[in-house]
Amino acid sequence: EAQVTQNPRYLITVTGKKLTVTCSQNMNHEYMSWYRQDPGLGLRQIYYSMNVEVTDKGDVPEGYKVSRKEKRNFPLILESPSPNQTSLYFCASSFTGTNEKLFFGSGTQLSVL
Amino acid sequence: GQNIDQPTEMTATEGAIVQINCTYQTSGFNGLFWYQQHAGEAPTFLSYNVLDGLEEKGRFSSFLSRSKGYSYLLLKELQMKDSASYLCARDNYGQNFVFGPGTRLSVLP
Repeated sequence: EAQVTQNPRYLITVTGKKLTVTCSQNMNHEYMSWYRQDPGLGLRQIYYSMNVEVTDKGDVPEGYKVSRKEKRNFPLILESPSPNQTSLYFCASSFTGTNEKLFFGSGTQLSVL
Repeated sequence: GQNIDQPTEMTATEGAIVQINCTYQTSGFNGLFWYQQHAGEAPTFLSYNVLDGLEEKGRFSSFLSRSKGYSYLLLKELQMKDSASYLCARDNYGQNFVFGPGTRLSVLP
């Protein structure tokens, strides 16, 4: 089944403790991206990647890192999480990143205490 | 700018027609998407407009006017399951997507 797999679904952590949210797609998509969703603000792009080893900042990249060593995986890394990073996170992918719909993962609800 | 505006909330009655508007401030983009998102779930694709005009898909239609800087999503024969948030998003030639804040639609019996 074609899908974007995101883990974990829920995560509670404490300030400063490094964490990684994984994202994997099995559709051979070149384009992958990360969003955070907060009430009243909608989906805001954190980072995106047009292909392996190519990553670019979105609108809200501060406090986040990403890597794209393989086409299928695009992990989101929070080196030192802070409470203002408490949010709902979505990973998404598409073949080329334009003219095509995005396929979304099921989301990760992160709480930083 | 990159701002996209949508009404925060709308309410409509089962069986009715509702129009959800999306306005934006820049003309340089490839196309405009509409997604549906039920509470606690991931967004799912509804429609994509590249050219000006109306795109019809069953009960859902989407319209784009680049010159006037707006799009709308039209939902006909509303059903209870249409209660969800509706997000418009601008496709900036694959560099990034910019989403609007979303419109929460409540369908009442």
